[in-house]
Formats: sequence, C-alpha cells, structure tokens
Amino acid sequence: GAGVSQSPSNKVTEKGKDVELRCDPISGHTALYWYRQSLGQGLEFLIYFQGNSAPDKSGLPSDRFSAERTGGSVSTLTIQRTQQEDSAVYLCASSSGRGDTQYFGPGTRLTVL
Amino acid sequence: EDKVVQSPLSLVVHEGDTVTLNCSYEVTNFRSLLWYKQEKKAPTFLFMLTSSGIEKKSGRLSSILDKKELFSILNITATQTGDSAIYLCAVVRQTGANNLFFGTGTRLTVIP
Repeated sequence: GAGVSQSPSNKVTEKGKDVELRCDPISGHTALYWYRQSLGQGLEFLIYFQGNSAPDKSGLPSDRFSAERTGGSVSTLTIQRTQQEDSAVYLCASSSGRGDTQYFGPGTRLTVL
Repeated sequence: EDKVVQSPLSLVVHEGDTVTLNCSYEVTNFRSLLWYKQEKKAPTFLFMLTSSGIEKKSGRLSSILDKKELFSILNITATQTGDSAIYLCAVVRQTGANNLFFGTGTRLTVIP
C-alpha cells in the first residue's frame, strides 16, 4: 500500500479483555515503531522492530503489553487484561531504516470501559 | 534526563498572520529533529533537520535548526484555517532504537 495502515481504527473493550492491534507498514520499510498517545499527553514510544526482531522493548509500560512482527512486515501489538489507563490512541510508524524519517499510520483509538 | 519542550502550548491567530513555533531540546547523542503536523490521529511529516543553519522550506512552511543553542523554529506565513492542527517536534538520538522523542506539541488555531 501507499502508506502505513492500522486496524481497527477504533476499538472499545471491557476492562480485563485482551485486544490486538494491527499495523501494516509501508512496503519495504524495515523499521517499525509503536507509540501511544494518551489524552492530554505527548506521544510515548513503546517498542521498535528492525526486521522481525525487537531490540528495544524499553517503552512497554507493563508485561501486559507485547508485540510481534512476522515476515518483516505486519506487526501486532497485544494488550492483555486491559485496564482503563490503557485507553489511548496507538500509533504505528515505519521507516526505510533505523534513523530514517518515520511515517505514521492513522492510529487505533482504544477505549477500555 | 532528555527533554523536548515546545512553546507556546497553544496559539490562536487570524488568517493571514505569520506564526513561529518553538522547540528546544536537551538530549544526549542528538541525531536529528523532526516536525510533524497532527490534525486528527496520524502525524504527518513536515521536516527533518540535521544540520544547523540550513533552512528547510515547503510552501508557506519553513524550519531551521540551531545545534549550538539547541532549538528549532517552525514558521508558517500567511496562515490559513487548514493550518489548524497540533504541531509536534521530535528528536531522534544516535543510540538505541532511534525512536522519536516527542515534545507535547503546540496547538495552533487559525480563525477566519
């Protein structure tokens, strides 16, 4: 595709449920990033993939958060046992290489009731 | 502790005005500074700056970086209502994941 795509665009879930958020990066981009934007706060880095490996998971807020990337392309961010404080917009970005310009997807707005 | 500070936090101007948005940073191992425009959810890329004193320009928008004083400015001339958005400044470090380290943004509102 022409740009980064994410799905779903909106997700409403109940506290305690698991959710999966998907990111499809720009074709050929080897680097993929997940960020989170909570209401009234700036964008917060979560995790970075170079190819299928995640050398930096330092931004994940808790062990309920995990992510994987397969085939050097699609990535899935999973949040287990969701809490209300997980409500945010989750943004994915990709770049052609580490340190290159990052291009963002449209995000997934997660609401945990 | 690394930080990126943007000012003002919000700004309201009339169409046709010129605005200057500021971004100052204190980061270790600076690599580059980027500006993004966020209207709804997805930040859209505006500029990447790596060298001091070289102005980047795109239409009515321009930006410049000062690596000695550790700041960047984003200028928008002849503002239009479509310029209303949050403008985000982010810094990339040489080390680690090269993830973007964001400021909290400047919310610009352009009224007719």
